[in-house]
Amino acid sequence: DAGVIQSPRHEVTEMGQEVTLRCKPISGHNSLFWYRQTMMRGLELLIYFNNNVPIDDSGMPEDRFSAKMPNASFSTLKIQPSEPRDSAVYFCASSKQNIQYFGAGTRLSVL
Amino acid sequence: DQQVKQNSPSLSVQEGRISILNCDYTNSMFDYFLWYKKYPAEGPTFLISISSIKDKNEDGRFTVFLNKSAKHLSLHIVPSQPGDSAVYFCAASAPSGNTGKLIFGQGTTLQVKP
Repeated sequence: DAGVIQSPRHEVTEMGQEVTLRCKPISGHNSLFWYRQTMMRGLELLIYFNNNVPIDDSGMPEDRFSAKMPNASFSTLKIQPSEPRDSAVYFCASSKQNIQYFGAGTRLSVL
Repeated sequence: DQQVKQNSPSLSVQEGRISILNCDYTNSMFDYFLWYKKYPAEGPTFLISISSIKDKNEDGRFTVFLNKSAKHLSLHIVPSQPGDSAVYFCAASAPSGNTGKLIFGQGTTLQVKP
């Protein structure tokens, strides 16, 4: 199994631009999670899906952030417009039960 | 309100000695606990877990201890190796319809010196 696949690995963009992060979960996993890691706040849960349905988006910072899971094998996290304070590493994880498996992350830099 | 806390941001240990990483939690509804290890530029990887019905789980050099009355868990690594140098996160989950949502601590950076 290839594990959780995230793309791109690195993204550099200018303030105000739209950013889309992508995630392919492990086949057969029914839950998908988006996290953000920063030095100040550690690993924050942004949103998670169960069977493609958003269950809890209370961690999404503001309306500039949105996430979708159109099918069981794909999810996106979009930031529009992006701001310098969005710079962080964004992780996607998937799980079948209690153990989550993480992708390698996307390092986002907003200039 | 941080429900899972790792109060030591860092720990330095000599190779061959024991590493003990600690984690405290506040929510008595948590029933499953996990430890993850994270190397730079990689995602966290699952290391070991324990159910609340147990007080110890062992896997090779790694042992997790759970003290429910104190709401405390710890990860012991014996013997420690330089390759164990990483950031360690503890995490907890509560019964939530089996969605697998985890609450993570802030992490402890372990350095094992040769």
